[in-house]
Amino acid sequence: AQSVTQLDSQVPVFEEAPVELRCNYSSSVSVYLFWYVQYPNQGLQLLLKYLSGSTLVESINGFEAEFNKSQTSFHLRKPSVHISDTAEYFCAVSGSGPGSQGNLIFGKGTKLSVKP
Amino acid sequence: DSGVTQTPKHLITATGQRVTLRCSPRSGDLSVYWYQQSLDQGLQFLIQYYNGEERAKGNILERFSAQQFPDLHSELNLSSLELGDSALYFCASSVGALAYTDTQYFGPGTRLTVL
Repeated sequence: AQSVTQLDSQVPVFEEAPVELRCNYSSSVSVYLFWYVQYPNQGLQLLLKYLSGSTLVESINGFEAEFNKSQTSFHLRKPSVHISDTAEYFCAVSGSGPGSQGNLIFGKGTKLSVKP
Repeated sequence: DSGVTQTPKHLITATGQRVTLRCSPRSGDLSVYWYQQSLDQGLQFLIQYYNGEERAKGNILERFSAQQFPDLHSELNLSSLELGDSALYFCASSVGALAYTDTQYFGPGTRLTVL
């Protein structure tokens, strides 16, 4: 079975500081990895995803994540955060083939709080 | 705005009752997914429909059922409601049937409170 662990439930950080939100997964099949963001009182929005190819994926608003197969990780990073990045971030995994559930499995989420 | 609409926004009901949540997918999307988000369980996949047919099932209770209509909107029916069913219910949609690679677009959710 697949699972996702987000190691930090809350991450407070000052504006313009770098941030890393950690995500580890377990899977016995080929994986596809996603980061979704949920702003207050809204639904989830896709931030970025890794399907294949380059292990470093970027979003349009400055976030990036690197797929590390040996460490089974997909950490999300941003070199300089803004107040508007305050939100909850969800890591998700999916896969295909025997042993996969075929749908997105979400982590518990990490609340990023950016302070002025 | 993701283009996915959900009604109602809020729902308050009593234990033992039955409710129906409605979802309209983005124009052109054929798949609809239902998720439950609660404080203790997090975000859990319930069920997926693709072009009117059930495609995948997750942690959906037997008291819950869903369907997708010919116009592609979907309804999630929750019956014999319990206090523990209080949660935010999200609908998402995607173009294709492949949940594991397609981008899913989420609606704003329906907050269900069972008293």
